Amino acid sequence: DAKTTQPPSMDCAEGRAANLPCNHSTISGNEYVYWYRQIHSQGPQYIIHGLKNNETNEMASLIITEDRKSSTLILPHATLRDTAVYYCIVRVASSSNTGKLIFGQGTTLQVKP
Amino acid sequence: DTAVSQTPKYLVTQMGNDKSIKCEQNLGHDTMYWYKQDSKKFLKIMFSYNNKELIINETVPNRFSPKSPDKAHLNLHINSLELGDSAVYFCASSQVGGRLEAFFGQGTRLTVV
Repeated sequence: DAKTTQPPSMDCAEGRAANLPCNHSTISGNEYVYWYRQIHSQGPQYIIHGLKNNETNEMASLIITEDRKSSTLILPHATLRDTAVYYCIVRVASSSNTGKLIFGQGTTLQVKP
Repeated sequence: DTAVSQTPKYLVTQMGNDKSIKCEQNLGHDTMYWYKQDSKKFLKIMFSYNNKELIINETVPNRFSPKSPDKAHLNLHINSLELGDSAVYFCASSQVGGRLEAFFGQGTRLTVV
């Protein structure tokens, strides 16, 4: 699985959009970009994933660059409850994959009032 | 209904003891995992079972023995506990293939004294 690089920490004002970047310059053509987050003292939570097209769900949007070497997770209206560590993970999604997630250090997002 | 549930949530025990952590998922997934999060918050996979068969064993000491009586349960038994075993242990499950979105339990905080 490809390695990812994320800034260690970011701040965001409550109500504003939080844009969390991730670099994955060695991503392979069959690897997806996944985002998880871990709110303090809780288990990681799946947010969104994508291959090459931009994706949106009720939690967030995922913007993947055309060359797929980087992506941005967007929380459109951050709330205090979005304060968490956000993990960008790149991996193959197939029936032959073990499903193992390799977590890096992630980005600690602090949403401030 | 909790999708992935672990018991106990907290576990304090003395060195040398043997303890078990239980995990159950009601999502109908065929793959379950154990992850360990150490004091530096680094999350790392330990084991994975697919339909009661061990598919991942990430160089974990053999004092740790996972047991899967059926595909909805994956328990973790730890023998001869050491101070370094203190961590938060997370159980997770996913349906291998397709999106491979993983669901995590709330964690078990193990403290060895």
